[in-house]
Amino acid sequence: DAGVIQSPRHEVTEMGQEVTLRCKPISGHDYLFWYRQTMMRGLELLIYFNNNVPIDDSGMPEDRFSAKMPNASFSTLKIQPSEPRDSAVYFCASSLDLRGLITEAFFGQGTRLTVV
Amino acid sequence: AQKITQTQPGMFVQEKEAVTLDCTYDTSDPSYGLFWYKQPSSGEMIFLIYQGSYDQQNATEGRYSLNFQKARKSANLVISASQLGDSAMYFCAMSQGAQKLVFGQGTRLTINP
Repeated sequence: DAGVIQSPRHEVTEMGQEVTLRCKPISGHDYLFWYRQTMMRGLELLIYFNNNVPIDDSGMPEDRFSAKMPNASFSTLKIQPSEPRDSAVYFCASSLDLRGLITEAFFGQGTRLTVV
Repeated sequence: AQKITQTQPGMFVQEKEAVTLDCTYDTSDPSYGLFWYKQPSSGEMIFLIYQGSYDQQNATEGRYSLNFQKARKSANLVISASQLGDSAMYFCAMSQGAQKLVFGQGTRLTINP
């Protein structure tokens, strides 16, 4: 398996523009997570899905952020409009549900977003 | 609420020495999992080791072991015979029930030749 695949790897955009980050989880995984990493706040969970259904979006900073998972192999995180404070590395991760047992999450390479 | 604390912002160790990275956690749930991840300078997050709250023995994976002290709510990572390639950020994380991970602030480990 190729692992969790994120695109793009790097994104530079101007303030006010719409940004869409993409993620393909590991095939067969039931959970998908979006994390944001900054120097100030570390790794924060933004939202996660179970079987394509959003379970907890309490980490989404504000209404400018939205995430979708239209099928088991694809998810998007959208920021509209983007602001300089959104600059961060955004990670997507996926994990397997083993009958309720906790399992490790596998991370993508991340998308480094810079909003100027 | 879950909380993970890593009190060592940075550590410097001589190559081939063992190193212990500290992690304490706070939860009232009896069922939880504890994880360590490595983040090298290239940026990817690499899973290292996992310990379940009901596991009787400390987890080990090659040169990595997890010193799990449940009563103290600590889950320290021990790296034996450190190598230059071990230089990286190390994150402790906890998950309970819902699979989602809550991360500590991380420890930057530098291995000196």
